[in-house]
Amino acid sequence: TQLLEQSPQFLSIQEGENLTVYCNSSSVFSSLQWYRQEPGEGPVLLVTVVTGGEVKKLKRLTFQFGDARKDSSLHITAAQPGDTGLYLCAATYLEYGNKLVFGAGTILRVKS
Amino acid sequence: DTGVSQDPRHKITKRGQNVTFRCDPISEHNRLYWYRQTLGQGPEFLTYFQNEAQLEKSRLLSDRFSAERPKGSFSTLEIQRTEQGDSAMYLCASSPESLQFANTGELFFGEGSRLTVL
Repeated sequence: TQLLEQSPQFLSIQEGENLTVYCNSSSVFSSLQWYRQEPGEGPVLLVTVVTGGEVKKLKRLTFQFGDARKDSSLHITAAQPGDTGLYLCAATYLEYGNKLVFGAGTILRVKS
Repeated sequence: DTGVSQDPRHKITKRGQNVTFRCDPISEHNRLYWYRQTLGQGPEFLTYFQNEAQLEKSRLLSDRFSAERPKGSFSTLEIQRTEQGDSAMYLCASSPESLQFANTGELFFGEGSRLTVL
């Protein structure tokens, strides 16, 4: 069983549309990060959230951390072709030490 | 460029051969991580070092895999007797030792070394 589940697995939308991707955990996490990865490259950190209920904004991206610290969401407003990529959530857990556990990711394709 | 660098970026080898990947972390970062990523999946943790000490190894790291960080700076990941199932992107990441970053586990990734085993 995957510790971190992401949904949807794949999303194809038109430029200008809004979208939300979800990350759910079977255990409470200590912190959660969102990364974006382009083909042939390593993941690049977008944001870190550590407090339940926390909301962070990064330009057109809004990240939310669930109150129970078991879920998070990423909302993109007015998506652009440059937003295309693999969006990964990754969490740290007290019981798993100081390492990041990744979800399988959401592949986002924004068509112009 | 002061980011994490990995070498080689691409490696094609025949089954049964040995391969070695190198990672140079961000210079002031004491923690170094290796992950493996296959197509359509997120990165899977393999092992990590704090300075030269290897503190944790995943069960994914079979006895054909060995990682070292002899002087607490660069690291190597060697795969012996490669198998087709070893084909993947091998990602290296580093993080500073400061308490804040250690608690949040933020990682700075290299661009990866893609291995293809024929």
